[in-house]
Amino acid sequence: DQQVKQNSPSLSVQEGRISILNCDYTNSMFDYFLWYKKYPAEGPTFLISISSIKDKNEDGRFTVFLNKSAKHLSLHIVPSQPGDSAVYFCAASSPGTASKLTFGTGTRLQVTL
Amino acid sequence: DAGVIQSPRHEVTEMGQEVTLRCKPISGHDYLFWYRQTMMRGLELLIYFNNNVPIDDSGMPEDRFSAKMPNASFSTLKIQPSEPRDSAVYFCASSPQVYEQYFGPGTRLTVT
Repeated sequence: DQQVKQNSPSLSVQEGRISILNCDYTNSMFDYFLWYKKYPAEGPTFLISISSIKDKNEDGRFTVFLNKSAKHLSLHIVPSQPGDSAVYFCAASSPGTASKLTFGTGTRLQVTL
Repeated sequence: DAGVIQSPRHEVTEMGQEVTLRCKPISGHDYLFWYRQTMMRGLELLIYFNNNVPIDDSGMPEDRFSAKMPNASFSTLKIQPSEPRDSAVYFCASSPQVYEQYFGPGTRLTVT
């Protein structure tokens, strides 16, 4: 039972353009969402997060949008850079189990020159 | 700070052998997590500890898997006996608080 889904296993974007990574969830109890970035042979690193009381959070080139009614969130990277090429994981947490994260399967982003 | 340390980085073993993965969390972090990464299922939480006490082990796939945290600076994940389907990358992560977790580099396990 995959409660957090990333339906696109891979995405290729040209340098300078916008990258949009999508994530859907099924558990309506989730109230906090995070994006992690993973390079090969390294562990995931935290990128950006959003609480369910917001619909947008921005940090430099990275913006996360949350649509609670659709149970959907997306990560926008503008402009995309070659160093952004990595696997991106979406994760979610529910109240009372805030320390426990449920991760998606990841989307591999390739930023081409 | 050295970050979360995992050993070994790579492990190749034969089916039926015991495998022990090790983790040293970041000093001062109260939470420790063990994950398994596979292509099909992404990052799966196996077990997590709070202040050295196991809180949720519902992700541990079978009795062949066990985890311990004897003190705040060390944890092990043991698989006995190992099977080819256990081949995956195993991550340890620690956290000082809720939500944000810091991951180690992972142990790539291959069971032949």
